Amino acid sequence: DAGVIQSPRHEVTEMGQEVTLRCKPISGHNSLFWYRQTMMRGLELLIYFNNNVPIDDSGMPEDRFSAKMPNASFSTLKIQPSEPRDSAVYFCASSEGATNEKLFFGSGTQLSVL
Amino acid sequence: GENVEQHPSTLSVQEGDSAVIKCTYSDSASNYFPWYKQELGKRPQLIIDIRSNVGEKKDQRIAVTLNKTAKHFSLHITETQPEDSAVYFCAAPGSARQLTFGSGTQLTVLP
Repeated sequence: DAGVIQSPRHEVTEMGQEVTLRCKPISGHNSLFWYRQTMMRGLELLIYFNNNVPIDDSGMPEDRFSAKMPNASFSTLKIQPSEPRDSAVYFCASSEGATNEKLFFGSGTQLSVL
Repeated sequence: GENVEQHPSTLSVQEGDSAVIKCTYSDSASNYFPWYKQELGKRPQLIIDIRSNVGEKKDQRIAVTLNKTAKHFSLHITETQPEDSAVYFCAAPGSARQLTFGSGTQLTVLP
């Protein structure tokens, strides 16, 4: 298995633009997580899906952030409109079952909003 | 929610020495305690985890100990090597079951 696949690896955009980050979890994993990593706040959970259903989105910072999981092999995280303070590394992770144990992280998307 | 505190934030050791990183948690319902290693520019990777029904777990040069009464757990790395240099994160789930990560420890192994 290729592991969790994220795209793009790097994204540079201007303030106000829409940004879409993509994730393909490991085949057979039922749980998918979106995390944001910054120096100031560390690793923060944004949203968690189980069997394609959003279970906990309490970490989504604002209405500008939205996430979808239309099927078991694909998820998106969208920021519209983007702001400079959204600059961070965004990680997607997946795990087996309805559990946060043994997370497998993707390579992350380095987002820079100018 | 769960509150996880991690110490120290930076740690330098000589190659071959041991390194210890400690975490405390607040939610007594937490029953699973993983440690992740993140090399510079890379993804976090699980290196060891422990459940609350055991007090210690070892995997070659790394070990984790858990004290449920005191609500703290520690990562021990023996015979450190340069490739151990990385940021290490502890985590705990709390009653909400979503992992809360510690703030990380930058470990530097000096040759």
